[in-house]
Amino acid sequence: EVQLVESGGVLVQPGGSLRLSCAASGFTFSGYAMTWVRQAPGKGLQWVSAVSGSGGSTYYADSVKGRFTISRDNSKNTLYLQVDSLSAEDTAVYYCAKALRGDGYNFEVGCDYWGQGTLVTVSS
Amino acid sequence: QSALTQPASVSGSPGQSITISCTGTSSDVGGYNYVSWYQQHPGKAPKLMIYDVAKRPSGVSNRFSGSKSGNTASLTISGLQAEDEADYYCSSKRSVSSWVFGGGTKLTVL
Repeated sequence: EVQLVESGGVLVQPGGSLRLSCAASGFTFSGYAMTWVRQAPGKGLQWVSAVSGSGGSTYYADSVKGRFTISRDNSKNTLYLQVDSLSAEDTAVYYCAKALRGDGYNFEVGCDYWGQGTLVTVSS
Repeated sequence: QSALTQPASVSGSPGQSITISCTGTSSDVGGYNYVSWYQQHPGKAPKLMIYDVAKRPSGVSNRFSGSKSGNTASLTISGLQAEDEADYYCSSKRSVSSWVFGGGTKLTVL
């Protein structure tokens, strides 16, 4: 059974940083691209970032480029998102999701498994 | 990065059919056959309902179907049931290595 469990969401002050984690199990982690998608309170889904199965290629939405860094440790089956220079606009539930295709890329095709999300609140 | 355009809300009675549209551009919906749809109940994670415009993952009811014409994709739910009440999001590949979602549609089953 595929499971994705996010952690690391906390209350942080504007300008602060934190690292989100997503522990994966039930599939060959290195074979799939992984993504982060966020949802601000009462708002829609927004793609944030993605990483190839090997970790060698990373992709970002314009709104987070230069502030967020995605990475993965295939030996630990864990996905990460380092988030820096946070502002109130970054307040959201952050979901990790597994790409549908098992080619290590093509996350844009869609994601078939999602974690339960972790809440990041940016406030003073 | 602007979102794909969906109606804010749709409604229908049990047993009826409804269609949710998702309008983009030739750079996303119209340019790729990589439209997917997600169902999200309050407080829950999104669930994949349709991918590659019209394919259903294993376990998803055949009451859900997808299609596309030009820059507009559509999700149709037939035989509406109370459990279908949820938010629905479309998404599409947008150019190289970019993924975009629609603004979401709230489905109310009357």
